[in-house]
Amino acid sequence: QLQLQESGPGLVKPSETLSLTCTVSGGSISSSRYYWGWIRQSPGKGLEWIGNIYNNGGTFNNPSLKSRVTISVDTSKNQFSLNLTSVTAADTAVYYCARHVLGPTEGWFDPWGQGTLVTVSS
Amino acid sequence: EIVLTQSPGTLSSSPGERATLSCRANQSVSSKYLAWYQQKPGQAPRLLIYGASSRATGIPDRFSGSGSGTDFTLTISRLEPEDFAVYHCQQYGTSPYTFGQGTKLEIK
Repeated sequence: QLQLQESGPGLVKPSETLSLTCTVSGGSISSSRYYWGWIRQSPGKGLEWIGNIYNNGGTFNNPSLKSRVTISVDTSKNQFSLNLTSVTAADTAVYYCARHVLGPTEGWFDPWGQGTLVTVSS
Repeated sequence: EIVLTQSPGTLSSSPGERATLSCRANQSVSSKYLAWYQQKPGQAPRLLIYGASSRATGIPDRFSGSGSGTDFTLTISRLEPEDFAVYHCQQYGTSPYTFGQGTKLEIK
């Protein structure tokens, strides 16, 4: 059974870089059918898609976050990572990683990691 | 981007009742590319429905999805105690992929 687990600091200072890693177990991140994504949920708000990566390193991101997002993959470790630069309090959220079932007729997220709360504060 | 609006914000119902949740888009969602998720407190969202009406693996048949274009519905035919949670819709027809703000289904 595929499982995903986020890891990283729970507290980041304003203007610094938020860095998280998602470790995939029970399956290979190199599977040709899937992308791997990051989604966040701010306190009391809805879910926001951040971006995706494929096993060859190809990415596409939500334009709302402009150029602050970098997503990378390490297939040897079965991991992918998120870097979000120049964070502010507005970036405080629970960050989830998920497998993105993406194809001509597909685009849902399943399964999800348990999520990790990142607070931006000095 | 496609904005999804879910209604009601909170729905109060009792076990055994039927629940109907709405997800409305500000523009047409391509080819019924809409999913529904269930989220319980402290847990990650769980996929319920994809393609507007197809149940994900292991999802009970009391959950059903319908709709097309700009109007979609999630129906829970007979509420069980474990169904009280927050429900999110997501469109994947157009990037950026977007979610609704969620409907909280609470016990009356």
